[in-house]
Amino acid sequence: AQKVTQAQTEISVVEKEDVTLDCVYETRDTTYYLFWYKQPPSGELVFLIRRNSFDEQNEISGRYSWNFQKSTSSFNFTITASQVVDSAVYFCALSEASNQAGTALIFGKGTTLSVSS
Amino acid sequence: DSGVTQTPKHLITATGQRVTLRCSPRSGDLSVYWYQQSLDQGLQFLIHYYNGEERAKGNILERFSAQQFPDLHSELNLSSLELGDSALYFCASSVGKWGAYEQFFGPGTRLTVL
Repeated sequence: AQKVTQAQTEISVVEKEDVTLDCVYETRDTTYYLFWYKQPPSGELVFLIRRNSFDEQNEISGRYSWNFQKSTSSFNFTITASQVVDSAVYFCALSEASNQAGTALIFGKGTTLSVSS
Repeated sequence: DSGVTQTPKHLITATGQRVTLRCSPRSGDLSVYWYQQSLDQGLQFLIHYYNGEERAKGNILERFSAQQFPDLHSELNLSSLELGDSALYFCASSVGKWGAYEQFFGPGTRLTVL
């Protein structure tokens, strides 16, 4: 069965520090998709990135970067030079392509990131 | 703003009651998903509709039902409400019917059952 584990429940950093949020997933499918979402204190879920299982290239978007490693079933998220506005709960999620039930997102429990000034 | 709208934003009701949550997907999106977020269960998938048809069911209770209408908006009906149904209910939409597409979430409806 598919599963997403975010072992870090809470992380606290000071502004300008780099921080990495870990995500480990389990799936039997060869084709799957990985996502990161941000949930700021206001409560909405904001889409950050989608990664396909057949594309292991790392991605950088501004201060955000993602490291996808199939060998360790990990899809980690790094924020460089963190800012107070990065304070939020971050969710890693997985969906599978092989069957109808796989259309849903399976979420990890989330990592609460607190950035202080 | 994701383009997905949900009403109402907050809902307070009593045990045993029935409520309806409404969702309008982004323009052009045919899929609507419903998720429940609670402190103990986290974010859980409830049900998925694509172009009016049910595609997949997750951990949705029998007391809950949903539908997607011809104009693609969706409603989630929760009946015989219990205290444990208090949660944040999200609707999400995507352009396709498979898990390959990113889902864009609405602001959520916070349900409080007293």
